[in-house]
Amino acid sequence: SAVISQKPSRDICQRGTSLTIQCQVDSQVTMMFWYRQQPGQSLTLIATANQGSEATYESGFVIDKFPISRPNLTFSTLTVSNMSPEDSSIYLCSVVLGPGQGGNQPQHFGDGTRLSIL
Amino acid sequence: ILNVEQSPQSLHVQEGDSTNFTCSFPSSNFYALHWYRWETAKSPEALFVMTLNGDEKKKGRISATLNTKEGYSYLYIKGSQPEDSATYLCAFMGAGGTSYGKLTFGQGTILTVHP
Repeated sequence: SAVISQKPSRDICQRGTSLTIQCQVDSQVTMMFWYRQQPGQSLTLIATANQGSEATYESGFVIDKFPISRPNLTFSTLTVSNMSPEDSSIYLCSVVLGPGQGGNQPQHFGDGTRLSIL
Repeated sequence: ILNVEQSPQSLHVQEGDSTNFTCSFPSSNFYALHWYRWETAKSPEALFVMTLNGDEKKKGRISATLNTKEGYSYLYIKGSQPEDSATYLCAFMGAGGTSYGKLTFGQGTILTVHP
């Protein structure tokens, strides 16, 4: 297993501001993902954070709103930009440990960032 | 858009009861089905990753089965305990191309076990 540290654990922000969430892993990982869970909704993949290249975003998510950095194999950040109340969610990073692309390996999650926008 | 459905949405049982939930997913282009347990204020914890039709996996009192031809998986908990109270999530992974490595989650089943 791995230790996945996510910061901050929670925050309350004003609309129009931006917040950067950090995800630190205690070992090198190839695949790192960012998810969000809006109230009453399922956990939804925002993007795959790629080391050394631009993140791969899922349909409905764009880089201007959710810029992602992945400077090395142990760290990534997700920024939620120009926040509105609809961005109130739990944001989670996850990683796949070991070799391969993770098809038959579980994902390991950080503790999440609980974000409320006023 | 992939459709991953879980039922029931919530479930209340008494300590000692056995229970089960369902996850339905697309029966085509299947690669893997994951089950996670998510307790309040904690991170989701992996229970099982299932890849083969007919797979059965077990971890203590929890077990799961997989039917990829008809697109469903069952999660069973035998002799529920209050510490089993959590949201149980299933997640589908499609095969090949841009689907590989990406999970589509169901909305979860919230289990509450009363002492």
